Amino acid sequence: QLVESGGGLVQPGGSLRLSCTTSGFRFNDYWMSWVRQAPGRGLEWVANIKQDGSEHYYVDPVKRRFIISRDNAKSSLYLDMGSLTAEDTAVYYCAREKGDFWSGDDAFDLWGQGTMVAVSS
Amino acid sequence: DIQLTQSPSSLSASIGDRITITCRASESIRRYLNWYQQKPGKAPKLLINDVSTLQSGVPSRFSGSGSGTDFTLTISNLQPEDVATYYCQQSFETPPITFGQGTRLEIK
Repeated sequence: QLVESGGGLVQPGGSLRLSCTTSGFRFNDYWMSWVRQAPGRGLEWVANIKQDGSEHYYVDPVKRRFIISRDNAKSSLYLDMGSLTAEDTAVYYCAREKGDFWSGDDAFDLWGQGTMVAVSS
Repeated sequence: DIQLTQSPSSLSASIGDRITITCRASESIRRYLNWYQQKPGKAPKLLINDVSTLQSGVPSRFSGSGSGTDFTLTISNLQPEDVATYYCQQSFETPPITFGQGTRLEIK
């Protein structure tokens, strides 16, 4: 199970930290991702992080503004978001990757319910 | 970045129909193509990975095929509970992981 939290209304230029608490599986066995969905729009992968936290990758629009991290002791995933703009308004989903990111054989097999982030003045 | 283009963007079909959704990649992604179903107000659900491998619990009326740049998701014997938006997603050339723009399926 994946449960996101931390969403809310934030002003442009502001910051927010999302959390994803997991249970029911060995968290440190999996790559983990954040995927977002703007209102009425499609899915956009945001970032992911390797099992031990040693590698992380981002989609271009969030590079240098967002930071993904994890705490394996707490089985939790985080997304620190900064310099937020209206274009960041979306439901943010935490998702587990079932395969190896670099093998190509990868998919999101477990999703949280999402947390809404609204950026507006 | 690899672009995925789905067609059609939306479709309406009748109960019992067989429908096909196409996903075209901007370059070859071999067989690293996954399909998701998202019902209104819900998180996406993985239906099929690696082109044609059905996830546990997914009805056998769902099937996938293709390789290289052209892929299809087929739903046979369409049921009311299949109303959803369907997304393809590639994991071959990353980052970034990319999704198609989605296909909204409605019942006539």
